[in-house]
Amino acid sequence: EAGVTQSPTHLIKTRGQQVTLRCSSQSGHNTVSWYQQALGLGLQFLLWYDEGEERNRGNFPPRFSGRQFPNYSSELNVNALELEDSALYLCASSRAGQSYNEQFFGPGTRLTVL
Amino acid sequence: GESVGLHLPTLSVQEGDNSIINCAYSNSASDYFIWYKQESGKGPQFIIDIRSNMDKRQGQRVTVLLNKTVKHLSLQIAATQPGDSAVYFCAENFASGSARQLTFGSGTQLTVLP
Repeated sequence: EAGVTQSPTHLIKTRGQQVTLRCSSQSGHNTVSWYQQALGLGLQFLLWYDEGEERNRGNFPPRFSGRQFPNYSSELNVNALELEDSALYLCASSRAGQSYNEQFFGPGTRLTVL
Repeated sequence: GESVGLHLPTLSVQEGDNSIINCAYSNSASDYFIWYKQESGKGPQFIIDIRSNMDKRQGQRVTVLLNKTVKHLSLQIAATQPGDSAVYFCAENFASGSARQLTFGSGTQLTVLP
């Protein structure tokens, strides 16, 4: 059973640019969450998708957006990049209807904004 | 606002000793409390969870204790092994409208000494 995968693994952008990060869910999972992990810090909740719908959103500006596709894969888009957007971006999938406690994380995409 | 925090940012233990990692939380409405482990270069991995109406739950070599009176959560690892070296995050799961959200603490770095 394939786990959660993310691409790319690393990315370097400059201020003002836009970036798209991708996530493939684990087989059988239909929810995806995105988290931002700044260096040395905890995970900050970004977005949660269930059956293609955005169900919940963390305290991030609208330039952070995403979507979930019919095959349950997902994208995270960040517009007008700022230096403080530099972080590890993690996606996690889980099976809807369960407690949502056990989320399966990908290895993350390391974004550096110069 | 709600927050999940940790008492200690780092913890070093001798191999074979027991480890105790602590966490304070503030959201009394959380339904579940969860522990995740993040090894270097990897996404977080679920360890164990506990429902808010319980005060203790045991897993394989791990025990989670919940003290709702003082809003305190702890993870006990028995016979700590080198492979236990990682950052440990506590998280709380609460309903946000019709959706759910995991809020993570800032993490404790556990180092197992030979």
